[in-house]
Amino acid sequence: QQQVKQSPQSLIVQKGGISIINCAYENTAFDYFPWYQQFPGKGPALLIAIRPDVSEKKEGRFTISFNKSAKQFSLHIMDSQPGDSATYFCAATIADTGRRALTFGSGTRLQVQP
Amino acid sequence: DTGVSQDPRHKITKRGQNVTFRCDPISEHNRLYWYRQTLGQGPEFLTYFQNEAQLEKSRLLSDRFSAERPKGSFSTLEIQRTEQGDSAMYLCASSLEASGRSYNEQFFGPGTRLTVL
Repeated sequence: QQQVKQSPQSLIVQKGGISIINCAYENTAFDYFPWYQQFPGKGPALLIAIRPDVSEKKEGRFTISFNKSAKQFSLHIMDSQPGDSATYFCAATIADTGRRALTFGSGTRLQVQP
Repeated sequence: DTGVSQDPRHKITKRGQNVTFRCDPISEHNRLYWYRQTLGQGPEFLTYFQNEAQLEKSRLLSDRFSAERPKGSFSTLEIQRTEQGDSAMYLCASSLEASGRSYNEQFFGPGTRLTVL
């Protein structure tokens, strides 16, 4: 059962453009939603995260938008740069239980063209 | 380097052989996770430890898989009688679980890429 669905699979954006990646989740118990960035040969690294009590969180060029009623959240990368070219994963977890294991989406491969 | 390290980075083995991977978490981190990532997919949870105690195993972890964290520091993941379907990236992550904090970031290692021929 795929509990977090991510789209698109791949994305090509021109330098300076906006990259948008979308995720939808099924488990309403999820209460923490991080985004990870992964470069080839590296493990995922936390980029930004949000809890469902807010609808938006911004850190630099990265913004998460969260829609609790629709069970959807998205990552917006403003002024996309070639260095942003990587695979991005959304994830979700139940933060207030002991386990806190992450459930990941299938990933979006972003290419930012110069 | 104070991040999570994994060894080896790459492992090629023949079907039926046993393999063992090692993960060294960030030194003060008391929680350690193992995930598996297949090509084109996100990581999937396998198991986790709180200190030396293994608290949960995913149904993905068949009886051919065993994980240990003997002294609450490094961890090993062993796969016995490897199958071609075991080919994947095996990721380790660690976090510091402290009372009063609702969520603690998981820091991932670079992974061990296993190829079973």
